[in-house]
Amino acid sequence: DTGVSQNPRHKITKRGQNVTFRCDPISEHNRLYWYRQTLGQGPEFLTYFQNEAQLEKSRLLSDRFSAERPKGSFSTLEIQRTEQGDSAMYLCASSHYRTGELFFGEGSRLTVL
Amino acid sequence: AQKITQTQPGMFVQEKEAVTLDCTYDTSDPSYGLFWYKQPSSGEMIFLIYQGSYDQQNATEGRYSLNFQKARKSANLVISASQLGDSAMYFCAMRETGGSQGNLIFGKGTKLSVKP
Repeated sequence: DTGVSQNPRHKITKRGQNVTFRCDPISEHNRLYWYRQTLGQGPEFLTYFQNEAQLEKSRLLSDRFSAERPKGSFSTLEIQRTEQGDSAMYLCASSHYRTGELFFGEGSRLTVL
Repeated sequence: AQKITQTQPGMFVQEKEAVTLDCTYDTSDPSYGLFWYKQPSSGEMIFLIYQGSYDQQNATEGRYSLNFQKARKSANLVISASQLGDSAMYFCAMRETGGSQGNLIFGKGTKLSVKP
């Protein structure tokens, strides 16, 4: 499978715990994006990497959120001290620098109890 | 102000008929790109079609076409010959830089239900 891969697909955690999601983009794509989607809403942009450089961060990305892409390949999104409001689907997408469309993974659904 | 507005929370269409999903956008950037994505119940966002702000012709991809009316700032998606598998959420999105950089801004989506 050469699509965007995300894991875990589902995560249930207690409030206050830390969680980490991983995204493996399409191999030839140098751009990687993280989005958050809550029920009944469209995806909301969180952050974006070009290779290993984090080029843009949304105001939605509070200081409890950190994203990395250390070698310009896979990326991780960590949420510290989770809150119930963090419950959402976290979507990863990648794109090639020559084309505009984003290719999305199937998402990681977070439930904070 | 909302950048992308999709005014139809839900739409129904009879199988084999055509349906139009509305999208209006707001930007002062002369160079931008418009996208439509499909999200089935499985959750994955599937790219359908792209229209650049300087494209002279409306984009088409198989049964999907984009009715781009620049002066009205609308980019409606037309699905011809609807199939049961078209039942899904549909999102309109915009990238303001116009190139291939930067993030996409999504609307709230329209839920399409195709009736047999």
